[in-house]
Amino acid sequence: NAGVTQTPKFQVLKTGQSMTLQCAQDMNHEYMSWYRQDPGMGLRLIHYSVGAGITDQGEVPNGYNVSRSTTEDFPLRLLSAAPSQTSVYFCASSISRSGANVLTFGAGSRLTVL
Amino acid sequence: KQEVTQIPAALSVPEGENLVLNCSFTDSAIYNLQWFRQDPGKGLTSLLLIQSSQREQTSGRLNASLDKSSGRSTLYIAASQPGDSATYLCAGTYNNAGNMLTFGGGTRLMVKP
Repeated sequence: NAGVTQTPKFQVLKTGQSMTLQCAQDMNHEYMSWYRQDPGMGLRLIHYSVGAGITDQGEVPNGYNVSRSTTEDFPLRLLSAAPSQTSVYFCASSISRSGANVLTFGAGSRLTVL
Repeated sequence: KQEVTQIPAALSVPEGENLVLNCSFTDSAIYNLQWFRQDPGKGLTSLLLIQSSQREQTSGRLNASLDKSSGRSTLYIAASQPGDSATYLCAGTYNNAGNMLTFGGGTRLMVKP
């Protein structure tokens, strides 16, 4: 049981380049989300999805796009990378259980934008 | 805007000590409060989840409490061990689906042998 799988684990980009961070889960979870973690700060929600075909913005969505064509996959796209997007990105998934969702997180993708 | 704060940012204790990590939140309309553990270079592992109707949850040497009226949660770790060294994050949920979290900045705990 793989859980939540994120690729790549590390990536270095130049300003203006585009890339996609991949996230896949095999638990048939409805909810998926992307967070970024910056030094000394907690995680901040970028985008989330409550099911296939449905996405919405979180706290810090600017500069990122998402789509949810299948239940399993939730890729995060950076259209034109900026140094301010240097961060560690975490994908998480969850399913309602007893009225509360326990999130399962991926191992993270560390992105550096030069 | 909901804010979640954790103080101190770092804590160092000798092995065997009982300790308390603090988490405060500004919006009492919270659905649940979760505590996570994060090891260096790794993702987050959920430790305990307290629903708004509950006062506390226990798992092994860990006990988490929630006081909505005062806007506080605590994570109590009994008989700390070097293996407990990690960053501990608390996060509040403000939607009833429970999947959108507002995180505190974390407390980096070091337990010295």
